[in-house]
Amino acid sequence: QAVLTQPSSLSASPGASASLTCTLRSGLNVGSYKIYWFQQKPGSPPKYLLKYKSDSDKEQGSGVPSRFSGSKESSANAGILLISGLQSEDEADYYCMIWHNSAWEFGGGTKLTVL
Amino acid sequence: QVQLVQSGAEVKKPGASVKVSCKASGYIFTNYDINWVRQATGQGLEWMGWMNPNNGDTGYSQKFQGRVTMTRSTSISTAYMELSSLRSEDTAVYYCARNVRLTGDFDYWGQGALVTVSS
Repeated sequence: QAVLTQPSSLSASPGASASLTCTLRSGLNVGSYKIYWFQQKPGSPPKYLLKYKSDSDKEQGSGVPSRFSGSKESSANAGILLISGLQSEDEADYYCMIWHNSAWEFGGGTKLTVL
Repeated sequence: QVQLVQSGAEVKKPGASVKVSCKASGYIFTNYDINWVRQATGQGLEWMGWMNPNNGDTGYSQKFQGRVTMTRSTSISTAYMELSSLRSEDTAVYYCARNVRLTGDFDYWGQGALVTVSS
């Protein structure tokens, strides 16, 4: 079972909000991890968005709009990337990442379609 | 401005090795770690390992242990990733990414280098 699981795709309308989930494997406690989020557009390297561990331990990447935010859903054992006020330029692949067992682990990525 | 500029595309035969370079500029090379991440066409990101350019310390993903070697030349602010015993499944774009030490802030990435393994 993968360490991090993300839904393969998600669609949302312009102006709406999108909630992208990153579920940790059973046995891992989301509360113990800092979750990093990246955005990747076709033909480009990933772009660092933000990191989130708790409301008191979080940081936005340089120049990343505040409509990108992180949170956690403990009951689902998941990290969440919330994108509000969706714009067409937000259409991209989104990846989560954690440090686990001395290695960086990526989720499989979610393709966000804005239509 | 910070830049990571990688070497060009490579075509290799199965069993061969490839060495990809990543030249850093715009910051003090030894102050940040360099990570290597690969991505097969249409697939997700896969972390390969990290290197501390200050002392050469490395840490590799178990998947690549024994096949990957990460080195650097501080005199020319360049990091290298060498992957040996190539197979077709190693065909991918290989990225270098800078990170703030002990964090996952991969804040700058190279443009990527396509490595194609084909007989």
